[in-house]
Amino acid sequence: DQQVKQNSPSLSVQEGRISILNCDYTNSMFDYFLWYKKYPAEGPTFLISISSIKDKNEDGRFTVFLNKSAKHLSLHIVPSQPGDSAVYFCAASEAGTYKYIFGTGTRLKVLA
Amino acid sequence: EAGVAQSPRYKIIEKRQSVAFWCNPISGHATLYWYQQILGQGPKLLIQFQNNGVVDDSQLPKDRFSAERLKGVDSTLKIQPAKLEDSAVYLCASSSSGGINEQFFGPGTRLTVL
Repeated sequence: DQQVKQNSPSLSVQEGRISILNCDYTNSMFDYFLWYKKYPAEGPTFLISISSIKDKNEDGRFTVFLNKSAKHLSLHIVPSQPGDSAVYFCAASEAGTYKYIFGTGTRLKVLA
Repeated sequence: EAGVAQSPRYKIIEKRQSVAFWCNPISGHATLYWYQQILGQGPKLLIQFQNNGVVDDSQLPKDRFSAERLKGVDSTLKIQPAKLEDSAVYLCASSSSGGINEQFFGPGTRLTVL
């Protein structure tokens, strides 16, 4: 039972353009969401988070949008840079559990 | 600030052998997590510690996996005996309160079971 889904295993984008990574979830009790970036041979690093009381959170080039009714969130990277090439994971947590369920990841390739 | 340390980075064993992984979290972080990441999948939580107590081990295969966190700091994860399907990257992460804070991950241990 995959509660957090990233249906696009890979994405290629030209440098300078927008990258949009999508994540869907099935558990309506999830109330906190995070995005992680992972380079080869390294552990995931935290990128940005959003609470269910918000529908948007922005940090520099990274913006996360949350659509609770659709159980969907997306990560926008503008402008995309070659250094953004990595695997991106979304993760979700139920209130009070502090336990995160991860999606399967999307490999982003930014072409110079 | 030093990050989460893990060792070894790589391990190759034969099935039915035993293996242990070590993790040293960020200083002062009360919560420690062990994840298993199989190729092509996202990290799956195996066990979560708050200080030296277990908060969640519902997805830990307890017939072969065990974990401990001595004195609420370092932690070890053991597999005995290993199976082919245990081949994965084992990630350790820590967070400051176990609340809605981001987790900081170590580099992981890549285990290959032959």
